[in-house]
Amino acid sequence: NAGVTQTPKFQVLKTGQSMTLQCAQDMNHEYMSWYRQDPGMGLRLIHYSVGAGITDQGEVPNGYNVSRSTTEDFPLRLLSAAPSQTSVYFCASSRGESPLHFGNGTRLTVT
Amino acid sequence: AQSVTQLDSHVSVSEGTPVLLRCNYSSSYSPSLFWYVQHPNKGLQLLLKYTSAATLVKGINGFEAEFKKSETSFHLTKPSAHMSDAAEYFCVVSDISARNTGNQFYFGTGTSLTVIP
Repeated sequence: NAGVTQTPKFQVLKTGQSMTLQCAQDMNHEYMSWYRQDPGMGLRLIHYSVGAGITDQGEVPNGYNVSRSTTEDFPLRLLSAAPSQTSVYFCASSRGESPLHFGNGTRLTVT
Repeated sequence: AQSVTQLDSHVSVSEGTPVLLRCNYSSSYSPSLFWYVQHPNKGLQLLLKYTSAATLVKGINGFEAEFKKSETSFHLTKPSAHMSDAAEYFCVVSDISARNTGNQFYFGTGTSLTVIP
């Protein structure tokens, strides 16, 4: 079982560039989510999805887009990167009453 | 509305002494509760979970937590701290009733545990 797979592990962008963080899970989880983690602020929810074709905003959605065309995949898009988006990003998934299963994270630096 | 409060942002203990990390929650429903651990530059790993079965929950690495509904608490404990326990710990509340309509999971802001040799 691969669990939750995030790619890439590290990324450096210049201000204004766009990119997509990939997230895939092989556990048939209907719930998927993206968090960012910044020092002293814990994990903050960016976007989440309760099933294919359904997405919604979390606490800090500005500057990010998501889509959920399949159960397995939940990519996070940065349309025009800003230094404030420098962070560690985690994808997580769950099903029913199971706990969240996390990916290993993507460390993003925007210069 | 659901929320989670971790009462200490930093806890420091000596190796071999007990660990207590405090978590209080508010929930409109019967919640599921979790503790996660994050070692430096790593992802989040599940330590233990409470899902309406026994109120005393045992997890990995000797950790346990007790669900106290009357106090709305879910404190994490370990009898004897080890150097390898130094990490960030997160308390999480899940509202399964929101599964099909909204966000389910609410995170505390974390407690950083330091273990002094």
